[in-house]
Amino acid sequence: GQNIDQPTEMTATEGAIVQINCTYQTSGFNGLFWYQQHAGEAPTFLSYNVLDGLEEKGRFSSFLSRSKGYSYLLLKELQMKDSASYLCAVIGGNYQLIWGAGTKLIIKP
Amino acid sequence: GAVVSQHPSRVICKSGTSVKIECRSLDFQATTMFWYRQFPKKSLMLMATSNEGSKATYEQGVEKDKFLINHASLTLSTLTVTSAHPEDSSFYICSARGTSDTEAFFGQGTRLTVV
Repeated sequence: GQNIDQPTEMTATEGAIVQINCTYQTSGFNGLFWYQQHAGEAPTFLSYNVLDGLEEKGRFSSFLSRSKGYSYLLLKELQMKDSASYLCAVIGGNYQLIWGAGTKLIIKP
Repeated sequence: GAVVSQHPSRVICKSGTSVKIECRSLDFQATTMFWYRQFPKKSLMLMATSNEGSKATYEQGVEKDKFLINHASLTLSTLTVTSAHPEDSSFYICSARGTSDTEAFFGQGTRLTVV
């Protein structure tokens, strides 16, 4: 079967760094997304990885290892507005999006 | 990034009526559109995938006669919830992908409340 795992909830302190991990087992792989979703809103795109390595975009970075079926989202200089759910999604072999359940990130002052 | 416009953002309807939700790609041609539903405190659930000009492919457990999906053009897909019931109340989100893109862009979402 196809499966994506990420922690249910994480807590971090304002100004700190947090890493949200995502592991996947899918039939085929055509890329991995990270999305941010605030309560009651649609997800917003954060990053896309299809090759191994680190992609950096400002305070957010995303890493992919295809051989390990592993990705992480790194958030630096955390702000209170970063409190949200972070969704990992994989494009499988048939180009359908397979979603993780999301990680709720709680930022404390 | 590309823009996907979803309308309406909120709708309240009476039980038994039908509601249509539109999803438009504003600056690219969306060959594939995905429709999702989000249950409270749970992840997005893919309902169906539609390719322009073809019938939608529904995920297991999704009633195709209740959730009608039309993707008649490269910039517009619609989801019609027919004979809505209170249990259909949810957050519905569309996403669109172009021909050569693997990145999917999301609409703003539609919060449907059936009373």
